Amino acid sequence: NAGVTQTPKFRVLKTGQSMTLLCAQDMNHEYMYWYRQDPGMGLRLIHYSVGEGTTAKGEVPDGYNVSRLKKQNFLLGLESAAPSQTSVYFCASSYWAGLGETQYFGPGTRLLVL
Amino acid sequence: GQQVMQIPQYQHVQEGEDFTTYCNSSTTLSNIQWYKQRPGGHPVFLIQLVKSGEVKKQKRLTFQFGEAKKNSSLHITATQTTDVGTYFCAAVNSGGYQKVTFGTGTKLQVIP
Repeated sequence: NAGVTQTPKFRVLKTGQSMTLLCAQDMNHEYMYWYRQDPGMGLRLIHYSVGEGTTAKGEVPDGYNVSRLKKQNFLLGLESAAPSQTSVYFCASSYWAGLGETQYFGPGTRLLVL
Repeated sequence: GQQVMQIPQYQHVQEGEDFTTYCNSSTTLSNIQWYKQRPGGHPVFLIQLVKSGEVKKQKRLTFQFGEAKKNSSLHITATQTTDVGTYFCAAVNSGGYQKVTFGTGTKLQVIP
């Protein structure tokens, strides 16, 4: 099992450009999440999905869109990148978000917006 | 909304010294999880606490859940250089979809 994988690992964008971050998991998990991590801010939830075809907003959803067309994939889109979106993005998945299911994280994508 | 604070934000210790990080929630929790993130790595699950007053140990790590289920602590005895990293608590609320809220993290540096 590869677990949770993310592509790309690193990307540099210019302000206004768009891109899509791909997250894939091979553990048959129902729940998937996108977080951003900034110094001193911990992990902040951007969007999450409780199953194929469903998505929901997290703590900091503005400027991002997501899609979960297949159970194993969760895509994060930036339509018009801004310098404030420079961050490390982590995808995670869990079997279900009930009492105590752990989240498995991908290796992260480092995004720099100039 | 849910707020989860961790203190301290940073901690430098001499190898062999003990280390403790504290996690405080503004609301009562269903359970709490702890994760460790090595430098340049991703968060990795360590443990979960569910019961009020629960204490769990993993070798040199001791995890505690407060009686009121609003706070938690992680204590490392006799730190080693392999303990370097950022420790996050993750608070799980009860009711409906149990959203996980991560704390701000405590970055631990161990000086050899």
